[in-house]
Amino acid sequence: GAVVSQHPSRVICKSGTSVKIECRSLDFQATTMFWYRQFPKQSLMLMATSNEGSKATYEQGVEKDKFLINHASLTLSTLTVTSAHPEDSSFYICSARDGVGQFFGPGTRLTVL
Amino acid sequence: SQQGEEDPQALSIQEGENATMNCSYKTSINNLQWYRQNSGRGLVHLILIRSNEREKHSGRLRVTLDTSKKSSSLLITASRAADTASYFCATDAVQAGTALIFGKGTTLSVSS
Repeated sequence: GAVVSQHPSRVICKSGTSVKIECRSLDFQATTMFWYRQFPKQSLMLMATSNEGSKATYEQGVEKDKFLINHASLTLSTLTVTSAHPEDSSFYICSARDGVGQFFGPGTRLTVL
Repeated sequence: SQQGEEDPQALSIQEGENATMNCSYKTSINNLQWYRQNSGRGLVHLILIRSNEREKHSGRLRVTLDTSKKSSSLLITASRAADTASYFCATDAVQAGTALIFGKGTTLSVSS
C-alpha cells in the first residue's frame, strides 16, 4: 500500500517550453501533496504544499507563476514548469500524505537544453 | 526550507566497518525519519523514530533520538559496498499536515 507514482520519470525539453509532471497516489487518498526539488549532490528542498481544491502554498523563493501546481483530486497533483530554462534542470519529487504518513514518488528528472 | 545539518557531509569507510551519521534539527517534532538515496534514484525509507522513543533498531541499522539536543544519529553496522548511497534525515513537525523537512544529507562510500 501507500504507493505514489510520477509521470514522466524523465523528460528532456528545449528552453522556453513548458513541462507537466503528474503525481498520483495509487491506493490511497492524499489529504495533502508536496513537491520537492533536488539539485545534484544536494538535499530535497520543499517547493510547495497543495491541498485538493485549493491554491498551493509556496515556499519562500519559489515562483508560483513559474511552477504551477494543480491539485484536481485527492489522488492527483500536477506540477507545470512554465517557460523552462536550463537552471530549472533538476530532480522533482512529489509526495503524498494521508492520516498515517507521507509517501514519496520515484521522482522526475528534468533536463532543459 | 531545511531543518538543519547533517554530519559528516561525506564519509568513506571500508567494508565491515561501522558508519555513523548525525542529524540536527530545529523545531519540535512528532517523529524523525531516515531515508537512503542511491545516485540519481528515488528515496528509500529506512526507519522512523517517534519523539517519545530514544533508540530503535532495524537489522543493521540503529537510530537514536535526543529531543533535548534536537539531534539524531544513524548507525550502520558491518557496512557493505551496497550501502554506498546518500542518507538523509527528515523531520515530521508537530503541526499537522506539514511536509517532511530534510537535512542536508551524508554521502557514504563503502569500499570493498
